[in-house]
Amino acid sequence: NAGVTQTPKFRILKIGQSMTLQCAQDMNHNYMYWYRQDPGMGLKLIYYSVGAGITDKGEVPNGYNVSRSTTEDFPLRLELAAPSQTSVYFCASRRDGEAFFGQGTRLTVV
Amino acid sequence: KNEVEQSPQNLTAQEGEFITINCSYSVGISALHWLQQHPGGGIVSLFMLSSGKKKHGRLIATINIQEKHSSLHITASHPRDSAVYICAVGPGGGADGLTFGKGTHLIIQP
Repeated sequence: NAGVTQTPKFRILKIGQSMTLQCAQDMNHNYMYWYRQDPGMGLKLIYYSVGAGITDKGEVPNGYNVSRSTTEDFPLRLELAAPSQTSVYFCASRRDGEAFFGQGTRLTVV
Repeated sequence: KNEVEQSPQNLTAQEGEFITINCSYSVGISALHWLQQHPGGGIVSLFMLSSGKKKHGRLIATINIQEKHSSLHITASHPRDSAVYICAVGPGGGADGLTFGKGTHLIIQP
């Protein structure tokens, strides 16, 4: 099993550009999550999904969108990137409470 | 909303020392997670516990549900233990995301 795979690992965006952060898991987990990690802060929940076709907002959803067309994939879309979206993004999945995280995507918006 | 507080924020110790990192939370939970994050790296789950104590190698995690407090201990610390240790609380088997502490930055000097 590869676990949770995120791509890309690093990205620099210009203000106003858009991009999609990819996340895939091969463990057949229903629950998937996107978090952002800012310096000196705990991870914050952006969006989550309880299964294919079902998504819901977390604590900090503004400026982001998600989709869940399959159990495996949970991409995070940034439209009109802003400097405030400079962060490290983590995708995670959970089963029976246990959490599995991807390697993270370090995004800089300039 | 649960508040998760970790202490200390930063800890530098000598190789071989016994390390304790503390975590307190404000609202009753179903499960508490201890996670490890190496510099520039992904997040790895160390423990998930809802009561008592768990041990894995040199790592020990305890939780006191009544006092809403957990500790992570490292025995015979080694420089490779240098990392950020993150406490997170969550709904056990439920779908809600985790609430994270800010992390404890641990440095073990040879």
